[in-house]
Amino acid sequence: AQSVTQLDSQVPVFEEAPVELRCNYSSSVSVYLFWYVQYPNQGLQLLLKYLSGSTLVESINGFEAEFNKSQTSFHLRKPSVHISDTAEYFCAVTSMDSSYKLIFGSGTRLLVRP
Amino acid sequence: NAGVTQTPKFQVLKTGQSMTLQCAQDMNHEYMSWYRQDPGMGLRLIHYSVGAGITDQGEVPNGYNVSRSTTEDFPLRLLSAAPSQTSVYFCASSTPRTGRREQYFGPGTRLTVT
Repeated sequence: AQSVTQLDSQVPVFEEAPVELRCNYSSSVSVYLFWYVQYPNQGLQLLLKYLSGSTLVESINGFEAEFNKSQTSFHLRKPSVHISDTAEYFCAVTSMDSSYKLIFGSGTRLLVRP
Repeated sequence: NAGVTQTPKFQVLKTGQSMTLQCAQDMNHEYMSWYRQDPGMGLRLIHYSVGAGITDQGEVPNGYNVSRSTTEDFPLRLLSAAPSQTSVYFCASSTPRTGRREQYFGPGTRLTVT
């Protein structure tokens, strides 16, 4: 079985500041890792994912995450945030043989202030 | 290509009433899943299906039934609604064929049980 821990329920940050949203997972088997974003009153959108290969993955809007197998982490970072990044961010994991079963963390609300 | 659609968007039920949340996808995906989202708990898997005629329980299946008679549709039934089922419900679909591994989410149904 897998589990995901997002250590921060809310992260307030000023516009143009850097941010890191933390995600740790546990699993006895190899996994795929995802970050989803949920803007207010909307559904979930995939932000980025790690399947294999390079441990650093990037999104089209400036976010990046690094898969660290030894620390079982997949932290999300952005060097300079915008007001429009205000949203809830979910880290999720699935085992390689059952990608229809996502296990989510509890979510981190990113609040970007002007 | 509408992706994953869900109806209704909002619903208010009285305790003991029954209803069906509809989910449909037009991407010919084999896998479909239902999640519920509660504050501070992320999303939790209710039921999932790996193909027409095949369903299985997720993490929180009690009080919910599903069936999958076609590839496109995956309805979620509440047989006797309870206040504990007040939540936002998301349907998702995915396919193992492309290797992308990500799930595509519908816009959600916000259910209140009084």
